[in-house]
Amino acid sequence: QKEVEQNSGPLSVPEGAIASLNCTYSDRVSQSFFWYRQYSGKSPELIMSIYSNGDKEDGRFTAQLNKASQYVSLLIRDSQPSDSATYLCAVKRAGGSYIPTFGRGTSLIVHP
Amino acid sequence: SQTIHQWPATLVQPVGSPLSLECTVEGTSNPNLYWYRQAAGRGLQLLFYSVGIGQISSEVPQNLSASRPQDRQFILSSKKLLLSDSGFYLCAWSPRNTGELFFGEGSRLTVL
Repeated sequence: QKEVEQNSGPLSVPEGAIASLNCTYSDRVSQSFFWYRQYSGKSPELIMSIYSNGDKEDGRFTAQLNKASQYVSLLIRDSQPSDSATYLCAVKRAGGSYIPTFGRGTSLIVHP
Repeated sequence: SQTIHQWPATLVQPVGSPLSLECTVEGTSNPNLYWYRQAAGRGLQLLFYSVGIGQISSEVPQNLSASRPQDRQFILSSKKLLLSDSGFYLCAWSPRNTGELFFGEGSRLTVL
């Protein structure tokens, strides 16, 4: 059973702080890793993809991947109240699979 | 650029009535297409996916069905809705085998 685990939260951080969201996965053949942001009542939006060990930065967002430890994280620097949302981690295995496996998401609250 | 449209956005249906949700993608060809359901406070549940016209794979046995009559059109149907079919239905497309999903706006279904 392929699983993607996330702490459901809520994770509460003050405005301007760094928010750290974590995700672990069980399938060692996983190859591609994604972070989605979902505002309440809205559909998920892809914000980051990462495929290699290490860090990948995009603006205030940094994705970190460690395949040996089977975790991927998302850091949000200078958190803003507009970052308050649920963040979904998704993992796709190598090979011909068309289907990413989603975690249940972590709720982030950024308070002024 | 690619866009995905999904409708209707909201619907309230009585138990036992039929359902039809439609999704179209523009600006790409041969996309992988997906239908997900998200119950209140729950994760994403994959219902169907399609890698080509007329090719439908079902992930969860239920009273729903899907069809792909054209390359960029994906339809979710039911002949008789159940109370348990209530939820937020999401259509998504993916470039071939990348695992990156791009979601439509979603359709919120309430079955009474």
